[in-house]
Amino acid sequence: AIQLTQSPSSLSASVGDRVTITCRASQGISSALVWYQQKPGKAPKLLIYDASSLQSGVPSRFSGSGSGTNFTLTISSLQPEDFATYYCQQFNSYHITFGQGTRLEIK
Amino acid sequence: QVQLVESGGGVVQPGRSLRLSCAASGFAFSISAMHWVRQAPGKGLEWVAVISSDGDYKYYADSVKGRFTISRDNSKHTLYLQMSSLRPEDTAMYYCAKERGAGDLDYWGQGTLVTVSS
Repeated sequence: AIQLTQSPSSLSASVGDRVTITCRASQGISSALVWYQQKPGKAPKLLIYDASSLQSGVPSRFSGSGSGTNFTLTISSLQPEDFATYYCQQFNSYHITFGQGTRLEIK
Repeated sequence: QVQLVESGGGVVQPGRSLRLSCAASGFAFSISAMHWVRQAPGKGLEWVAVISSDGDYKYYADSVKGRFTISRDNSKHTLYLQMSSLRPEDTAMYYCAKERGAGDLDYWGQGTLVTVSS
């Protein structure tokens, strides 16, 4: 099974900062990579699909890039509502795997 | 608007069974693949199962294969997860989610909590 490794596991940043989260796949997955945001007590929210396509309604400060095994999620200017946990996800052979998550905290 | 409402969670003893339901509305349920994803308390997301739009194809995580069964009733716009031989490690919030395209999940329910404990 394909494994996803996110880094860092946690991150402290300030409002206005530019933040990058990395997701590495154990084997090539082309651009089949998805990013979610989850806030405490809430369901995950789809941010990015196909590695770089922004889901409708998601602010343009979120962007995704990468292909093959290395992917990044970038938040260009952190807003107070962006402090949450972020997960990457891949879908291969009808099985989904998630990264372990990156917790983004206020500095 | 799209709504997914899970129900059926609760406290159950190890070895017993439980059936979860997910009532869908606001989208073309009968042409959407659907998933179950779970999250143990304080832990990350774990995919559980997927079912194709017509119910012909079902796939499971290794951790639940042979114990859980995903199914759907398109006439009732409802997704199900039959869980048997439950273990303490199955304790989690269970979410149903709609597939947007190639495995990405664009709508999620609010979750239903399953606690497996004696």
